[in-house]
Amino acid sequence: GNSVTQMEGPVTLSEEAFLTINCTYTATGYPSLFWYVQYPGEGLQLLLKATKADDKGSNKGFEATYRKETTSFHLEKGSVQVSDSAVYFCALSGNGGFKTIFGAGTRLFVKA
Amino acid sequence: DSGVTQTPKHLITATGQRVTLRCSPRSGDLSVYWYQQSLDQGLQFLIQYYNGEERAKGNILERFSAQQFPDLHSELNLSSLELGDSALYFCASSVDSLAGVGDTQYFGPGTRLTVL
Repeated sequence: GNSVTQMEGPVTLSEEAFLTINCTYTATGYPSLFWYVQYPGEGLQLLLKATKADDKGSNKGFEATYRKETTSFHLEKGSVQVSDSAVYFCALSGNGGFKTIFGAGTRLFVKA
Repeated sequence: DSGVTQTPKHLITATGQRVTLRCSPRSGDLSVYWYQQSLDQGLQFLIQYYNGEERAKGNILERFSAQQFPDLHSELNLSSLELGDSALYFCASSVDSLAGVGDTQYFGPGTRLTVL
């Protein structure tokens, strides 16, 4: 069946460090891929998405590229800020209306 | 503000009781999703409704049920509550689950349920 696997956290970085959070998926067909972010005390919100192979989603300095050959959608940011501290969820949604599948989430702590 | 509203924000109740959580989707969204988020189990998909009909079922217990009304708001009913049901319950909505491709889900702020 369809699944999403993301790296376990927590990830702790100093401000201005480079961030990578790995995400790989298993799916039939051509799913859309998402990164959602959950700030403390809030619901999830869309960070970025990509709907086809080789697409790059980007927002707020974060980027992720849809790699079909490696079934991956790794999240990257060149220079993290304290305000980026949150839980990040990788997710996929496929054709035919099947439900969105979320990864387990990766908690990021950024120290000043 | 995602445009999705959930009430109540907090709910404290006792074991064995029944509660109802309410969700109003974004204007124009036909799909509503319910999720449970606990500290040790991450985000668990419970159920999805599309335009009043059940569309997909996840890890929803038999003690839990949901429905979507003609005005598209949804309610999640939790009965015979146990201590382990204490969690955050999120509702999300999206435009069109039939297409499925690229559907962004918009999440509400959640209802924190505490079962004592």
